[in-house]
Amino acid sequence: GAVVSQHPSWVICKSGTSVKIECRSLDFQATTMFWYRQFPKQSLMLMATSNEGSKATYEQGVEKDKFLINHASLTLSTLTVTSAHPEDSSFYICSGARQRGWPYEQYFGPGTRLTVT
Amino acid sequence: GENVEQHPSTLSVQEGDSAVIKCTYSDSASNYFPWYKQELGKGPQLIIDIRSNVGEKKDQRIAVTLNKTAKHFSLHITETQPEDSAVYFCAARTNFGNEKLTFGTGTRLTIIP
Repeated sequence: GAVVSQHPSWVICKSGTSVKIECRSLDFQATTMFWYRQFPKQSLMLMATSNEGSKATYEQGVEKDKFLINHASLTLSTLTVTSAHPEDSSFYICSGARQRGWPYEQYFGPGTRLTVT
Repeated sequence: GENVEQHPSTLSVQEGDSAVIKCTYSDSASNYFPWYKQELGKGPQLIIDIRSNVGEKKDQRIAVTLNKTAKHFSLHITETQPEDSAVYFCAARTNFGNEKLTFGTGTRLTIIP
């Protein structure tokens, strides 16, 4: 199968600090990676799309200077939440698109729960 | 943009019975429709998908049907088991350089032993 890992699985940080979340595709090359945010009992909200070696494309309303995304290789993408505030507390999920013919299949990581105190 | 509606939001089914979750989409250009299962505290897991050139697809106890004319697709789970309890999301996507999935609002399925 296609496996995506995230690290850490949960993190608690103080308001004003920055937090980095890693997303790795373990057994496939993800030309495109996606970052989502999910609030309790709600659906997934796409934050940004990143292609390897390119700048991320952010969805409307998502602050690119606050949520820094780096997709340096075909197997690693990182999301850095800068100057985190309590309202940034959420479940962050990454996803990798595996190109194997058409259509692209998208596989999700296990998520990272961020709590900002 | 695409809009995906999903019903019902909650569904309780006796173990062994069937469960059906329905989704409608708005963009006739959408051509890929995956279903994801999300357990508490975990990321979504792809359980089945269907492409626009197919009307039905089965994988053991799970099946998905697609009606392009009506722009709706459904997930069918037969012989439900307690481990089927989870939140299920449908999604839709076009394949014209924009690979963003649009998700439904989710269905919380509870299997009653």
